[in-house]
Amino acid sequence: AAGVIQSPRHLIKEKRETATLKCYPIPRHDTVYWYQQGPGQDPQFLISFYEKMQSDKGSIPDRFSAQQFSDYHSELNMSSLELGDSALYFCASSLTRTTYEQYFGPGTRLTVT
Amino acid sequence: AQTVTQSQPEMSVQEAETVTLSCTYDTSESNYYLFWYKQPPSRQMILVIRQEAYKQQNATENRFSVNFQKAAKSFSLKISDSQLGDTAMYFCAFMIQGGSEKLVFGKGTKLTVNP
Repeated sequence: AAGVIQSPRHLIKEKRETATLKCYPIPRHDTVYWYQQGPGQDPQFLISFYEKMQSDKGSIPDRFSAQQFSDYHSELNMSSLELGDSALYFCASSLTRTTYEQYFGPGTRLTVT
Repeated sequence: AQTVTQSQPEMSVQEAETVTLSCTYDTSESNYYLFWYKQPPSRQMILVIRQEAYKQQNATENRFSVNFQKAAKSFSLKISDSQLGDTAMYFCAFMIQGGSEKLVFGKGTKLTVNP
């Protein structure tokens, strides 16, 4: 069965640089979620999109933005990177209002030096 | 705001034995879902089991089952016949039905299965 695809899997950036993370949801899933997991932490919700419209926003810094495109893939853009942005970034997708089950991608490990 | 509490930071169990991981949550909502996710050393988040709040019957998935006590706001995970591959971090998660459907996670329980 198809799974959520995230790219890149690993990313190393320097402080103040910009990063773009991509997510390709499971086909026919209508909702995409982004989570951030710091070292030794639980995943924290950042932002979600339902049918290409932003549906909810969590503790996402103003330096971060995201969108979902017409083909349902999503991108998380991160600017002016800080050391504290080093984390594992997950994308998850679901068929909302049907099963409510979120399926996670493998994550993108971002390291800011 | 919804909160999820996992009071056992670490647990261990012998292979083939049974172990129960605890989770409590706090909410004023009546329609919600509860989940257990497994995160092995690969860091992949894997959905283990789901429970709808409106269902009285406890969910079961092969060796994994839950004890859902709605009044007590308790949602424990029982793993039977533990296997070495069950070694992982286990996260309990909560979702409001009809809201943004974001997941709120507990801090996790690190489970080690010993041979």
